[in-house]
Amino acid sequence: QKEVEQDPGPLSVPEGAIVSLNCTYSNSAFQYFMWYRQYSRKGPELLMYTYSSGNKEDGRFTAQVDKSSKYISLFIRDSQPSDSATYLCAMNALLQGAQKLVFGQGTRLTINP
Amino acid sequence: NAGVTQTPKFRILKIGQSMTLQCTQDMNHNYMYWYRQDPGMGLKLIYYSVGAGITDKGEVPNGYNVSRSTTEDFPLRLELAAPSQTSVYFCASTYRGTNTGELFFGEGSRLTVL
Repeated sequence: QKEVEQDPGPLSVPEGAIVSLNCTYSNSAFQYFMWYRQYSRKGPELLMYTYSSGNKEDGRFTAQVDKSSKYISLFIRDSQPSDSATYLCAMNALLQGAQKLVFGQGTRLTINP
Repeated sequence: NAGVTQTPKFRILKIGQSMTLQCTQDMNHNYMYWYRQDPGMGLKLIYYSVGAGITDKGEVPNGYNVSRSTTEDFPLRLELAAPSQTSVYFCASTYRGTNTGELFFGEGSRLTVL
């Protein structure tokens, strides 16, 4: 079983739709959860960061963590064509020391005008 | 401030050839990493370094070597290239004491081994 599972998609939705991206994980030691966005032919960039369980909102983006279910989500409201990218979840057990993040497979998202 | 710079952006190698992927960062970050990204497979850690002179293996180190003689540079060496090393390689860095664990990535180096 992979430590982090993410549906690779691809996922295609119309502009303005609400998008839900999800990851499950098996390591209960994970405490730090991140979503990276990767545009085509570019490196990943940090989009959202959450510590432990709960919700975090940043504009049209909301990150949710449910540690009891080992499940994290990223919601995108009022999706825009500029949101078309691959979204990677990532997680880590410790914040100190080398940041050896464990990444999901990435979900390729296309927002159609 | 250029961030993390990788060269070359593209390279085609023949089986058995060797090459070095260059990575440099100008953010004075302590930690540097090399990942490879294969379609549908996410990012796999090859090697990482916590400072000049210190390197350690990640999840998929076989067929690669690294060195870290300065804070800024972290080259990745491929010896005896094999088709299984066809991938996109990303260098990343971050700083000790980060409160988010954010990694800063370069734009990637696309390598094809034929």
